[in-house]
Amino acid sequence: GAVVSQHPSWVICKSGTSVKIECRSLDFQATTMFWYRQFPKQSLMLMATSNEGSKATYEQGVEKDKFLINHASLTLSTLTVTSAHPEDSSFYICSARDRRRLADYNEQFFGPGTRLTVL
Amino acid sequence: LAKTTQPISMDSYEGQEVNITCSHNNIATNDYITWYQQFPSQGPRFIIQGYKTKVTNEVASLFIPADRKSSTLSLPRVSLSDTAVYYCLVVSNTGRRALTFGSGTRLQVQP
Repeated sequence: GAVVSQHPSWVICKSGTSVKIECRSLDFQATTMFWYRQFPKQSLMLMATSNEGSKATYEQGVEKDKFLINHASLTLSTLTVTSAHPEDSSFYICSARDRRRLADYNEQFFGPGTRLTVL
Repeated sequence: LAKTTQPISMDSYEGQEVNITCSHNNIATNDYITWYQQFPSQGPRFIIQGYKTKVTNEVASLFIPADRKSSTLSLPRVSLSDTAVYYCLVVSNTGRRALTFGSGTRLQVQP
């Protein structure tokens, strides 16, 4: 149980185009999902917190108009990188918390990540 | 959230026990210590979590001294497949639930 999927697993796009990445909780419902970005040989950096039915909360320095997050259901959050540029090339990872276990310790389930390459 | 400090890298050989220590001097009362494992081009995977003393599961053991200012992840008899980056996180059980990842420890297991 507690599986999180991401689609696509990798994507290559041209500079200036937009790319949508999906994050799904397959066997549980998630009121909260998180989006991280990871550059090569670096740690994960939190970009935003996605809350079902409300606006996402972005970390300082992350442009909300560039990284659009939508969390329309309890099992799906999407991250759209708008007008992507080469510096946006990175590994994007989502995580989710099981809403049935909110009272438990803060365990998060991570997706497999999406490798974005902007040419 | 409390900042964590752990070694950048460690080397070991198959069959050995590996202990990775993490310091978290500013840990708060509501904080738990959690360890994640990450393989290249994959999302992190939860390994173990504890509050104090010792916790053991099928994968690892976590030792936390009484002052909770540090913790040690112990991997018994590592294999080549344990080569990964291991992250120590201090996680609050109240309020903000986002995870803050430090630099992690890159463990290389040699044959």
